[in-house]
Amino acid sequence: NAGVMQNPRHLVRRRGQEARLRCSPMKGHSHVYWYRQLPEEGLKFMVYLQKENIIDESGMPKERFSAEFPKEGPSILRIQQVVRGDSAAYFCASSPDRSLEAFFGQGTRLTVV
Amino acid sequence: ELKVEQNPLFLSMQEGKNYTIYCNYSTTSDRLYWYRQDPGKSLESLFVLLSNGAVKQEGRLMASLDTKARLSTLHITAAVHDLSATYFCAATNDYKLSFGAGTTVTVRA
Repeated sequence: NAGVMQNPRHLVRRRGQEARLRCSPMKGHSHVYWYRQLPEEGLKFMVYLQKENIIDESGMPKERFSAEFPKEGPSILRIQQVVRGDSAAYFCASSPDRSLEAFFGQGTRLTVV
Repeated sequence: ELKVEQNPLFLSMQEGKNYTIYCNYSTTSDRLYWYRQDPGKSLESLFVLLSNGAVKQEGRLMASLDTKARLSTLHITAAVHDLSATYFCAATNDYKLSFGAGTTVTVRA
């Protein structure tokens, strides 16, 4: 059973471009969570999705950021018109139920130049 | 909002000695996690603590939880070099993890 798969592992974007980060949860997991880790900081919750539904997006910046988890395919975190402050590691986690432990992927390290 | 404070933020350990990392959280939490993160890597789950008085041990690491004091500790016994990493605690209500800022541990000879 493969773990949580994120790709790409590293992503470089110029200011103003779009970044798309993908997350395939573990088999049997329908709950996905995205977290952001700024340099030298702990992880901060961004959004919680369950197949086709956004359950909690209270940690998402109001503009430029969106997330989806379609019926088929991976969860996508999309950042439009990236700025330098978006440079961070973005981690995805998944769980079979919201009350159970979530397991983290390897993360995508976004660098905006 | 559930806030989590960890201290110290940096810990230089001498091989063979014992150390403790502290994790305080602000409101009631369902569970308390400890994770290890190596540079450029993901989070490795070390312990999940569910109830007051819970104590778990794995090798040189031991974690405990006092829900009344809203305090968890990670105790390191006889530090060795391969324990060098950043350690995070995280408290949770329902699904949302609130992380501490992390403790960067360096073990020196």
